[in-house]
Amino acid sequence: AQSVTQPDIHITVSEGASLELRCNYSYGATPYLFWYVQSPGQGLQLLLKYFSGDTLVQGIKGFEAEFKRSQSSFNLRKPSVHWSDAAEYFCAVAPYNNNDMRFGAGTRLTVKP
Amino acid sequence: DADVTQTPRNRITKTGKRIMLECSQTKGHDRMYWYRQDPGLGLRLIYYSFDVKDINKGEISDGYSVSRQAQAKFSLSLESAIPNQTALYFCATSDQGGQGAYGYTFGSGTRLTVV
Repeated sequence: AQSVTQPDIHITVSEGASLELRCNYSYGATPYLFWYVQSPGQGLQLLLKYFSGDTLVQGIKGFEAEFKRSQSSFNLRKPSVHWSDAAEYFCAVAPYNNNDMRFGAGTRLTVKP
Repeated sequence: DADVTQTPRNRITKTGKRIMLECSQTKGHDRMYWYRQDPGLGLRLIYYSFDVKDINKGEISDGYSVSRQAQAKFSLSLESAIPNQTALYFCATSDQGGQGAYGYTFGSGTRLTVV
């Protein structure tokens, strides 16, 4: 069965520092891969997605993610974090028909002034 | 107005009571989903529907039922609520034609507490 692992439950970074959030997946084939962000009291918002092609994908809010097939990873990055990026981030995988999207447990990001 | 609207936003109910959570969308999407979120567990799929006549169980459907009243409406019911159903519930929609191309659009969630 497909699964998603986000190894880091909580990460703290200073404002202006770079960020990398890790995501590993287990699936028989290359699934569709997603990153979502959840601000407090809000639903999840799609940051970016990968289906095929260029392994480096750009998303909203200055985020990017890199798909590495050999490592079954899809890590999220941002060169310079802003205080407004404090939120919880979820990695997700879905088969081609999108009817069973599986989410990781989430990584909570705290941004220090 | 939000693309995906969930009502109520918050609800406290007693053990054994029946409760319905409602979801409506203006995206025009065919596919709708119900997830629950628990701390440390991420989101888990309860039920999903590809159209009005198509309802499917997800990962954790026991204790829940759903109704797809129209393309735009998908409700989740707890027939006899129990405390371990205390969670944050999300409704989501997606575009059929995209085969996942567009990801999901989520509502703002319903926080349910069963006492």
